[in-house]
Amino acid sequence: DAGVTQSPTHLIKTRGQQVTLRCSPKSGHDTVSWYQQALGQGPQFIFQYYEEEERQRGNFPDRFSGHQFPNYSSELNVNALLLGDSALYLCASSLALAGNQPQHFGDGTRLSIL
Amino acid sequence: AQSVTQLGSHVSVSEGALVLLRCNYSSSVPPYLFWYVQYPNQGLQLLLKYTSAATLVKGINGFEAEFKKSETSFHLTKPSAHMSDAAEYFCAVSRGSGGYQKVTFGIGTKLQVIP
Repeated sequence: DAGVTQSPTHLIKTRGQQVTLRCSPKSGHDTVSWYQQALGQGPQFIFQYYEEEERQRGNFPDRFSGHQFPNYSSELNVNALLLGDSALYLCASSLALAGNQPQHFGDGTRLSIL
Repeated sequence: AQSVTQLGSHVSVSEGALVLLRCNYSSSVPPYLFWYVQYPNQGLQLLLKYTSAATLVKGINGFEAEFKKSETSFHLTKPSAHMSDAAEYFCAVSRGSGGYQKVTFGIGTKLQVIP
């Protein structure tokens, strides 16, 4: 049973560039959430996708956008990268109809901005 | 609104000693609470969850947590620390259902186990 998979594992970009991160949810899950985890901090909620729609959003600017595909996989896009965007980006999946069940996390994508 | 406070960003214990990691929550509705563990360069792994059944929750690797509504606490404990327990631990509170789930994490507590 495949868990949550994220790609790539590491990425180096420069300021002003754009980046796309990818996530495949755990088999059977239909909801995907994205988090940003800066060094020494807890995960900060970016947004959540269900039924191919953004259902809710954390306190992140419009430079952060996403998409969910019919197979439930998801992408996180960040435009006009800033040094402060350097972080571990975590994807988590869950089953919507299961209510407040725990989210399952991938190992993340480490994004470094130079 | 909901929030989580983890007291102590770093905790050191000797191998074999009691582990106690503190978490207090704030939630306007009955909360669902979780503890996750994160090893270096990995994602978060669920240790245990509270979803309004039993107040004492047992998790993996010998960890347990007790929900105390009067104290708005959900502290994580383990009777005897093992070297492999060294990691960062996150408390989280969740609410929502049906495609809407908002999870708020604490800042984490880094556990050091001293041989």
